[in-house]
Amino acid sequence: LAKTTQPISMDSYEGQEVNITCSHNNIATNDYITWYQQFPSQGPRFIIQGYKTKVTNEVASLFIPADRKSSTLSLPRVSLSDTAVYYCLVGPPMIKAAGNKLTFGGGTRVLVKP
Amino acid sequence: GAVVSQHPSRVICKSGTSVKIECRSLDFQATTMFWYRQFPKQSLMLMATSNEGSKATYEQGVEKDKFLINHASLTLSTLTVTSAHPEDSSFYICSASYLDTEAFFGQGTRLTVV
Repeated sequence: LAKTTQPISMDSYEGQEVNITCSHNNIATNDYITWYQQFPSQGPRFIIQGYKTKVTNEVASLFIPADRKSSTLSLPRVSLSDTAVYYCLVGPPMIKAAGNKLTFGGGTRVLVKP
Repeated sequence: GAVVSQHPSRVICKSGTSVKIECRSLDFQATTMFWYRQFPKQSLMLMATSNEGSKATYEQGVEKDKFLINHASLTLSTLTVTSAHPEDSSFYICSASYLDTEAFFGQGTRLTVV
């Protein structure tokens, strides 16, 4: 599985957009990029998954450049409740791949301040 | 979305005793479940893959005789920490997925060994 590198932590303020970039230089052709969110003392929660270009859902957007060696998770207009750890994972698609084990990197601790 | 439930959410036990943690998929059948461990301020580390009807597959460095996994049905996997010691104190999380979905995580179990 490709190794990922993310910033350890980021601070933001309510209403701002938060962008977290993940580096994955050794991403394989068949690998997807998936982001999970984890609140304190809870299990992770799936946010978004993509392969290339841009993916958007009701929670976030995921930007993936053409070389796919990095990706950026964008959280629009964050609130205090978005304070969490965000994990970038690279590997087989999390969807349509039931049974694939996940390898978590260090994650990015996002603190949203009032 | 699909729900994965863990029980108990918190447990305190005496050193030398055994503790059982349950992971249930409430509204779907999961042939494969995963168990993770997370120490404070650290990322999730995969411990083992739980396969319904067969032996679990353990990650390197995880003692299979200490962390007993039973996946007796398509909706239940159990992790038993045998002869627990203070260094086993951690946050244990299970996950499960099925068909065309992403992995769903339980809410985690905080184990404290005193």
